[in-house]
Amino acid sequence: AQTVTQSQPEMSVQEAETVTLSCTYDTSESDYYLFWYKQPPSRQMILVIRQEAYKQQNATENRFSVNFQKAAKSFSLKISDSQLGDAAMYFCAWRSGAGSYQLTFGKGTKLSVIP
Amino acid sequence: GAVVSQHPSRVICKSGTSVKIECRSLDFQATTMFWYRQFPKQSLMLMATSNEGSKATYEQGVEKDKFLINHASLTLSTLTVTSAHPEDSSFYICSARDRGPYSNQPQHFGDGTRLSIL
Repeated sequence: AQTVTQSQPEMSVQEAETVTLSCTYDTSESDYYLFWYKQPPSRQMILVIRQEAYKQQNATENRFSVNFQKAAKSFSLKISDSQLGDAAMYFCAWRSGAGSYQLTFGKGTKLSVIP
Repeated sequence: GAVVSQHPSRVICKSGTSVKIECRSLDFQATTMFWYRQFPKQSLMLMATSNEGSKATYEQGVEKDKFLINHASLTLSTLTVTSAHPEDSSFYICSARDRGPYSNQPQHFGDGTRLSIL
């Protein structure tokens, strides 16, 4: 079974600074997708960024970027110029490139932003 | 962007009541919808996968008779918690997959339903 591991239950960052959230996964498949979702206190699930496994280039969305290391099965999220609105739970998720499209989530990392 | 509407957002009811939660895709057709349960400070746990026009596929440990799922159209799936008890209190979230041909399309999530059984 696929597993997604987030080893940091909680992280904190000073406003305007940079923080990196870790995620590792385990799969035997070669075609898959990886995602980072943000869940603020309102509990909406907001897609932050996604990465296709076949792409070597790391995905970037404004202040959010990933470091995708396929051989190491690592998918970390870097948040630059952290803002108070970035405070939330962050979930790393994996999905197969075929089949039922089910997401497998990590346990999450709670990010606090210090003003 | 794709929008998924989940209703109601909050339910408080007495033990023994059945509660229906709706999940609608507003601007796309969803062949597959997913239902998750989330306990406080925990991750999302997949309960079942709902395919339009067919029976839902439940994850191991999820009671089919307790959590009834119906996906009668390409835009609507419902989750009914039957004879709800306090232990069913939780946050329930649905998501939907666009039926479009591109496999890289992400799931779109509803805003969730907070269910409290007294």
